[in-house]
Amino acid sequence: SAVISQKPSRDICQRGTSLTIQCQVDSQVTMMFWYRQQPGQSLTLIATANQGSEATYESGFVIDKFPISRPNLTFSTLTVSNMSPEDSSIYLCSVTGASNTGELFFGEGSRLTVL
Amino acid sequence: KQEVTQIPAALSVPEGENLVLNCSFTDSAIYNLQWFRQDPGKGLTSLLLIQSSQREQTSGRLNASLDKSSGRSTLYIAASQPGDSATYLCAATGNQFYFGTGTSLTVIP
Repeated sequence: SAVISQKPSRDICQRGTSLTIQCQVDSQVTMMFWYRQQPGQSLTLIATANQGSEATYESGFVIDKFPISRPNLTFSTLTVSNMSPEDSSIYLCSVTGASNTGELFFGEGSRLTVL
Repeated sequence: KQEVTQIPAALSVPEGENLVLNCSFTDSAIYNLQWFRQDPGKGLTSLLLIQSSQREQTSGRLNASLDKSSGRSTLYIAASQPGDSATYLCAATGNQFYFGTGTSLTVIP
């Protein structure tokens, strides 16, 4: 398994500001995934973060809005830029474990409310 | 594109009852089927992973089955408890992870 720590766990932000979410994993992993879960919805993949290369963004998500850093094999950040109320969501960091089964593990999530 | 459906969207049961949650997927070419639990405002906790070559997995009071040919998985919860109240999501793994919208379970004491 993998233990994932996310910070902040929740925040209330003003429109137009930016917030950076941190994700720390207790083991080295190749890929880290960032998801968004809007209220009452399922999970939507924002991007996949690989160490040493640019993140790969899914359709509908762009680097200017959601810049991602991946400085090493245990850490990543996601920034939500120029926030609007529509960005109010739970943001989740996840990784697959080291066992090669493809099992997916998640952090506790960061619940953002934009006023 | 893979589509994952969970029915019902919400379920209430009295404490002690056995229950089944359903997960359907449209593309049978999956690597894994994984069940998660999500408490309100929190992240997802992995419950059970069924690899494509397996038919079922068990952990305590939970049993998950997988029928790839029919595109279905079920999560069986025995002797439900109020602490089981949460949203349960399934995810099918293909070239990425495809999530259902979840079943919100309430176990009434």
